[in-house]
Amino acid sequence: EDQVTQSPEALRLQEGESSSLNCSYTVSGLRGLFWYRQDPGKGPEFLFTLYSAGEEKEKERLKATLTKKESFLHITAPKPEDSATYLCAVDGEYGNKLVFGAGTILRVKS
Amino acid sequence: KAGVTQTPRYLIKTRGQQVTLSCSPISGHRSVSWYQQTPGQGLQFLFEYFSETQRNKGNFPGRFSGRQFSNSRSEMNVSTLELGDSALYLCASSLGPGETQYFGPGTRLLVL
Repeated sequence: EDQVTQSPEALRLQEGESSSLNCSYTVSGLRGLFWYRQDPGKGPEFLFTLYSAGEEKEKERLKATLTKKESFLHITAPKPEDSATYLCAVDGEYGNKLVFGAGTILRVKS
Repeated sequence: KAGVTQTPRYLIKTRGQQVTLSCSPISGHRSVSWYQQTPGQGLQFLFEYFSETQRNKGNFPGRFSGRQFSNSRSEMNVSTLELGDSALYLCASSLGPGETQYFGPGTRLLVL
């Protein structure tokens, strides 16, 4: 059974204080690992797709990396507007059947 | 390009009733997946449709069903509503299986 575990559950940062979120996974036949951002009361917003170990992707202050067992979302010099829940999900052998982690709630204070 | 749209955005029902939720995917996307999000269970996969066929189904009772039309629009139906069905129901579309899924804003269902 595919599983995703995210840590920490919650993270409080000062503006400008860089950190990383972790996503550990077990999956049969990884098709892709996805990072989403979700604001309260809204649907998840797509951030990154990673397909194979060693892959990295960047967007503004965010950088996602992937190994065979985990993924990291690095946040460099965060701003208050980066406050949200960050969700990690894997898509296994069946395709389009995402298994999500519980998420990391990020709060950035100015 | 317009994103995924879901209607209605909010819904209040009573136990025993049934409900139908609608999802319009991004233009050109042929795959639609549905998810249930609750504070206790997080995001859980309900089912996925591709070219009007259900490809995958999650671990939900038969009261949860869905369908996809020839224009890729999708509906999900929940019959005999229970209090525990209160949740945010999210629809996601993609070009096809294994491609990146883009989510709609969700339908907030409250069962009283």
